[in-house]
Amino acid sequence: AQSVTQLGSHVSVSEGALVLLRCNYSSSVPPYLFWYVQYPNQGLQLLLKYTSAATLVKGINGFEAEFKKSETSFHLTKPSAHMSDAAEYFCAVKRGDKLTFGKGITLSVRP
Amino acid sequence: DAGVTQSPTHLIKTRGQQVTLRCSPKSGHDTVSWYQQALGQGPQFIFQYYEEEERQRGNFPDRFSGHQFPNYSSELNVNALLLGDSALYLCASSLWGPTGNYGYTFGSGTRLTVV
Repeated sequence: AQSVTQLGSHVSVSEGALVLLRCNYSSSVPPYLFWYVQYPNQGLQLLLKYTSAATLVKGINGFEAEFKKSETSFHLTKPSAHMSDAAEYFCAVKRGDKLTFGKGITLSVRP
Repeated sequence: DAGVTQSPTHLIKTRGQQVTLRCSPKSGHDTVSWYQQALGQGPQFIFQYYEEEERQRGNFPDRFSGHQFPNYSSELNVNALLLGDSALYLCASSLWGPTGNYGYTFGSGTRLTVV
């Protein structure tokens, strides 16, 4: 079965620092991969998605992710963290019309 | 352009009761999926509806059932509520299709508390 693993449950960075949130997938076929963000008491907002086109995917709010087949990874990065980036981030893989999510990573941004 | 609308936003029920949650998909979308997100966890797929039929189902008991109406809106019903059913229930709409190129639009969810 396809799944994703998000390493660590909490990441804390200083404002202006690099954000790196890790996601590894297990899949026997090329996957469709997604990153979603969830702010407190809200639903999920799509940050970006990989659909077998360019391996470097740019998303909203300055985030991007690189699909690396050799490492089965799809890590999310942002060059400079803002206070408004503090939220829960979920990596997900899609097979058919079903999304399977990781457990999520809480991103904290220190002033 | 209206996104996905879910109602109610919050709900408190007693064990053993039944609950109905509602979802209106984004304009132009024809497929509705339901997810359960327990506290501190990622969302888990419950089931998906297209053309008023359940197309896929996750690992959830028969107490969880649903319906899709001709206008594509959907309901999630949970019978015989358990304390463990307390969670945020998310509705996601999308366009039906054979590839993974379509994104999902999620609603803000219904917070169900079972006491």
